[in-house]
Amino acid sequence: DSGVTQTPKHLITATGQRVTLRCSPRSGDLSVYWYQQSLDQGLQFLIQYYNGEERAKGNILERFSAQQFPDLHSELNLSSLELGDSALYFCASSVVLAGGWGPTYNEQFFGPGTRLTVL
Amino acid sequence: SQELEQSPQSLIVQEGKNLTINCTSSKTLYGLYWYKQKYGEGLIFLMMLQKGGEEKSHEKITAKLDEKKQQSSLHITASQPSHAGIYLCGADGNTGNQFYFGTGTSLTVIP
Repeated sequence: DSGVTQTPKHLITATGQRVTLRCSPRSGDLSVYWYQQSLDQGLQFLIQYYNGEERAKGNILERFSAQQFPDLHSELNLSSLELGDSALYFCASSVVLAGGWGPTYNEQFFGPGTRLTVL
Repeated sequence: SQELEQSPQSLIVQEGKNLTINCTSSKTLYGLYWYKQKYGEGLIFLMMLQKGGEEKSHEKITAKLDEKKQQSSLHITASQPSHAGIYLCGADGNTGNQFYFGTGTSLTVIP
């Protein structure tokens, strides 16, 4: 058990709908990362938050947004869902972020994932 | 952006055999991480390498980062069924705070 929790575990919805995925980081971790894993794209970095602020953006679509709350939990919002959005969505947390820009050198602890199926 | 290519894409070995997985980067690696994933589950951190020439071992798994810091290898000695899974290398972006994962290597160990 990594200490990172994600809910729900499974989500089935229809095209055009909006869903919210939730992540609670390990106690004491300030950084939260979101990833999307699909068969054709592999594991793709979406976005990172550190202590409530967005720190890095990866391949995140404009239909997707995220936020990190004062209690450090994070939510990933996916809207106008398309069939291609079906994937496993992981969040991960790490202890600290190196100051400014640059490598973090911190291992990430991954949650069990949310499997999203768009029908 | 940084690209991480892993080889082989999949590997099937007999229990007890040794094996090596490679991860090649398109850019200099500043931090190279190895993770293991069981199908449909979250990733488990294995090791992190930072310095060129660095080598780390944990139980029967050894990872190395080459001197030029553009390639890493993961070596498993005397493989066991418990080693089966998907192995992913990951790296910090050398600018910004993005994180990149390799294409993954699926390992099957036959008892």
